[in-house]
Amino acid sequence: NAGVTQTPKFQVLKTGQSMTLQCAQDMNHEYMSWYRQDPGMGLRLIHYSVGAGITDQGEVPNGYNVSRSTTEDFPLRLLSAAPSQTSVYFCASSWTGANEKLFFGSGTQLSVL
Amino acid sequence: GENVEQHPSTLSVQEGDSAVIKCTYSDSASNYFPWYKQELGKGPQLIIDIRSNVGEKKDQRIAVTLNKTAKHFSLHITETQPEDSAVYFCAASIEDSSYKLIFGSGTRLLVRP
Repeated sequence: NAGVTQTPKFQVLKTGQSMTLQCAQDMNHEYMSWYRQDPGMGLRLIHYSVGAGITDQGEVPNGYNVSRSTTEDFPLRLLSAAPSQTSVYFCASSWTGANEKLFFGSGTQLSVL
Repeated sequence: GENVEQHPSTLSVQEGDSAVIKCTYSDSASNYFPWYKQELGKGPQLIIDIRSNVGEKKDQRIAVTLNKTAKHFSLHITETQPEDSAVYFCAASIEDSSYKLIFGSGTRLLVRP
């Protein structure tokens, strides 16, 4: 089992560029979510999904889109990158609930210049 | 909305000593309280969690206590080892349809050999 796999590990973007952060899990978990981690602020929920075809907004959804076409994959799209989106992004999955017993990926460090 | 405060932000202990990290939450409806450990360059990993119908939970050298009246919960690590050095995050959540998990700002624990 690979668990939760995130790609890429590092990315540098220019302001206004778009990109997709990939997340895949092989544990057949129904629940998946995206968090961003900023210094001194813990982790904040961006979007989450309770199953294929179902997504909803978290605390800080503006500037991000998600989709969940399969149980395994939950990509995060930055529509037009801004310096405020410089952060470390973590994808998580769970079999019990979108906020419980989360398995996290190793993260994507994103810098927007 | 829910707010979680975590103290201290850094903690240095001698190997073999105990470490205590404290968190307070604001929403009395919160009923699920996990603790995550994050090692350098990795995603957070769940180490223990507790629900509001339980006052204390132990798992080997780790314990969590919950005081619902005072709205605070604590992580206790006994007989600390160098491999306990990491950043620890507390979180609080209400078991409703919002699935929002609110994290504290983290405590960097250093265990000195």
